[in-house]
Amino acid sequence: KQEVTQIPAALSVPEGENLVLNCSFTDSAIYNLQWFRQDPGKGLTSLLLIQSSQREQTSGRLNASLDKSSGRSTLYIAASQPGDSATYLCAVTPNQGGKLIFGQGTELSVKP
Amino acid sequence: NAGVMQNPRHLVRRRGQEARLRCSPMKGHSHVYWYRQLPEEGLKFMVYLQKENIIDESGMPKERFSAEFPKEGPSILRIQQVVRGDSAAYFCASSQEDRYGYTFGSGTRLTVV
Repeated sequence: KQEVTQIPAALSVPEGENLVLNCSFTDSAIYNLQWFRQDPGKGLTSLLLIQSSQREQTSGRLNASLDKSSGRSTLYIAASQPGDSATYLCAVTPNQGGKLIFGQGTELSVKP
Repeated sequence: NAGVMQNPRHLVRRRGQEARLRCSPMKGHSHVYWYRQLPEEGLKFMVYLQKENIIDESGMPKERFSAEFPKEGPSILRIQQVVRGDSAAYFCASSQEDRYGYTFGSGTRLTVV
C-alpha cells in the first residue's frame, strides 16, 4: 500500500532564507508526483508536476526533484517570502492511475 | 476558463439531513475526483468518475455516500443522513486524462450541527 510522508510537519524560517521540504513514498511504482500549495481555508494550487521519467521541474523560485528509486522528492524554495507561508502538499499518482495519494503536508511560516 | 467550480462554498446541515455537493470540472476535462479533508487530517481520496461511470470508489464510505457524473451537468457528491463526523472540507479535482496533472476546486466546507 502506497504511503506518502512529509517532513517536517511544520517549519518556520526568516524571510530570505532558502529552504527544502521533503516528501517520501513507499512504493516507487508511481506515474507522477505533484506538489501543491494550500492556503488556510482555501483550495489547492498546483505548483509543480514531475513525471516519473523526469528528475526535476522548475518554476520561478521553486524547484522540485524526484528520485523514484529511493522514493523521495524535495521541494526547494529560494529566497523565501512571507507570501510563501502556506501548507505544502506532496501527492503521487500510482502506476494504476487515477487517484492522488497525499502526504500530511508541511506547514511553512516565513517571518518578515 | 473558470477552472473547477464547486458549490456551495459552505454548507450547514442538521444531523439526519442530506447534503448535496456539486462540482463542475474545467472545460475539456472528463475525469473528476472527490477528496475529503477532515480536521487535522490529510486529504483522502473518495471516488473517481468519468462521464456516467464510476471508475474507482475505493475511498467511499460503504453507506450513506454516493457520487455521480451525468452526461450533462456537474458531478454530485451526495451524503444521506449526515452525522457530525461528516463535517469536513470536500474537494473536487478534474483532469484531462487520468495520469495528467490535476486542477482542484476551492472546496465545499460541510458543517453538521
